[in-house]
Amino acid sequence: QSVLTQPPSVSAAPGQKVTISCSGSSSNIGNNYVSWYQQLPGTAPKLLIYDNNKRPSGIPDRFSGSKSGTSATLGITGLQTGDEADYYCGTWDSSLSVGVFGGGTKLTVL
Amino acid sequence: EVQLVESGGGLVKPGGSLRLSCAASGFTFSSYSMNWVRQAPGKGLEWVSSISSSSSYIYYADSVKGRFTISRDNAKNSLYLQMNSLRAEDTAVYYCARQIGSYFDPWGQGTLVTVSS
Repeated sequence: QSVLTQPPSVSAAPGQKVTISCSGSSSNIGNNYVSWYQQLPGTAPKLLIYDNNKRPSGIPDRFSGSKSGTSATLGITGLQTGDEADYYCGTWDSSLSVGVFGGGTKLTVL
Repeated sequence: EVQLVESGGGLVKPGGSLRLSCAASGFTFSSYSMNWVRQAPGKGLEWVSSISSSSSYIYYADSVKGRFTISRDNAKNSLYLQMNSLRAEDTAVYYCARQIGSYFDPWGQGTLVTVSS
């Protein structure tokens, strides 16, 4: 049981938009920045979004992040087959002094 | 290029021990907190442990507390995870990751630890 809650799977057609939610509590998302990671099959996780809504260099602006209260959302527009991957949200839990992740969301581009 | 390379994984019997290493390059290792994150086969990411830049602050997940020890050698640009009393549920790919604020970047390629008799 992960500390942060994500939907197990989402799907959409190529070119469409999808959003992935991440729900937490006041001790984690509510009081810390949220990050998002993309894990392509058989590879290590890769940073996609940091500090709620910032993109590292090299990450296209099709990927966006937002946070409101104790929830965060990852948005992906102009879906491509290459976006098929597992996506994880993560943050720090200040009260437990531990890192926390969501259970992951598998994106299928139909 | 910022790079992290893990090593030391392998097959170990339940109750056994293993020491993982993570070699860092391309950045000032001594300035960053470092973490271990694991992923059991077919499962999601699980944060394992964190160590601050000067080793002053160390944190563990409840699932490994008392069995695992994180450490670092800033002179050797290396991070370690000593794993004792290993259990079948510790079977996973173990990643090391640099921590910046509350996010992790980059991640190493991972090293597989299999606990089985």
